[in-house]
Amino acid sequence: RKEVEQDPGPFNVPEGATVAFNCTYSNSASQSFFWYRQDCRKEPKLLMSVYSSGNEDGRFTAQLNRASQYISLLIRDSKLSDSATYLCVVWGGNKLTFGGGTRVLVKP
Amino acid sequence: NAGVTQTPKFQVLKTGQSMTLQCAQDMNHEYMSWYRQDPGMGLRLIHYSVGAGITDQGEVPNGYNVSRSTTEDFPLRLLSAAPSQTSVYFCASGVVGAGGYTFGSGTRLTVV
Repeated sequence: RKEVEQDPGPFNVPEGATVAFNCTYSNSASQSFFWYRQDCRKEPKLLMSVYSSGNEDGRFTAQLNRASQYISLLIRDSKLSDSATYLCVVWGGNKLTFGGGTRVLVKP
Repeated sequence: NAGVTQTPKFQVLKTGQSMTLQCAQDMNHEYMSWYRQDPGMGLRLIHYSVGAGITDQGEVPNGYNVSRSTTEDFPLRLLSAAPSQTSVYFCASGVVGAGGYTFGSGTRLTVV
């Protein structure tokens, strides 16, 4: 079993709609959680950290469920520019471990 | 502020050749790491370091060596290149466990 698992998608989303997706992690001792965004053939960039109480950054909302060991990301009012691969990332044991990514395609 | 700088951006090697991918950061970050990303796949950890003089293996270390003689630099050495090492390599740095990590723009390596 992979340490961090994501639905690869793609999630085809009409512009203006809401999309949500999860990732699960296997190591219960994981300490920190993040969502990164990666555009085609570019380096990953931090989208947001994920806190136990849930947190919001503009149109993006992240949730962490430690009991069930999953993290979620919700994007409201999707823009064409939100088309990208979203990487779930977990920090633990001095290592940053990436999920395989969820591809999101926002269409007009 | 340069952030994380990787060189070269592109490289073609013949099977059996060796080379070093360079990674440098100017943010005084303790943590540095190397990942490879193959088409349609996520990032896999090769080696990482939590400070100068300290390195450890990640998920896919075979065929690669690293050293961390300074805080700023974390070079990745391919000992004898193989076609299976054709990939995009990313270097990242950050503060241990403290938040987001900064990536370099990547090195696209082809081994023929």
